[in-house]
Amino acid sequence: KAGVTQTPRYLIKTRGQQVTLSCSPISGHRSVSWYQQTPGQGLQFLFEYFSETQRNKGNFPGRFSGRQFSNSRSEMNVSTLELGDSALYLCASMVGSGEKLFFGSGTQLSVL
Amino acid sequence: DQQVKQNSPSLSVQEGRISILNCDYTNSMFDYFLWYKKYPAEGPTFLISISSIKDKNEDGRFTVFLNKSAKHLSLHIVPSQPGDSAVYFCAARRGGSEKLVFGKGTKLTVNP
Repeated sequence: KAGVTQTPRYLIKTRGQQVTLSCSPISGHRSVSWYQQTPGQGLQFLFEYFSETQRNKGNFPGRFSGRQFSNSRSEMNVSTLELGDSALYLCASMVGSGEKLFFGSGTQLSVL
Repeated sequence: DQQVKQNSPSLSVQEGRISILNCDYTNSMFDYFLWYKKYPAEGPTFLISISSIKDKNEDGRFTVFLNKSAKHLSLHIVPSQPGDSAVYFCAARRGGSEKLVFGKGTKLTVNP
């Protein structure tokens, strides 16, 4: 069974641009979550989608948004990039609720 | 407000000895706790979990202990192996929410 796949692995953008990250969950998993990892803050929850609906949301500004498609694939968008958005963005999936998360390898975003 | 704290940024042990990683939490609503291991350039990998109705869970060389009154959990690795060298994250979840709250991680180094 293939794991959680995130694309691209690396991305370099400049301030003010926008970016879209993609995540394909494990087959059969309907919940997809996004986390931001930075050296100073550790892993912080962005949002979680289940069956195309946002079920949970973290404390990030509105520049961070996401969506989930009918095939459970998910995208995350960050608009008007800031230097502080440089981080590893991790996607995770699980079958439904109350279970362990399986993480992808992440997208390393650098904002210059 | 850091609800999950891993106060030791790093830990170094000898191969074959016990590794003990500690985690404290402040939110008494947390009812499920997980440990993840992370290698560089990879996503976190699930290790072991424990529900708040238990005080111990064991899986091979890994044991997690939960002390609810002290709001403290620990991960014991016995015996430690060089391949265990990684960053270990403690995470907690509240009932009814799929959001994981992570600590900032402890870097474990197991010396041959």
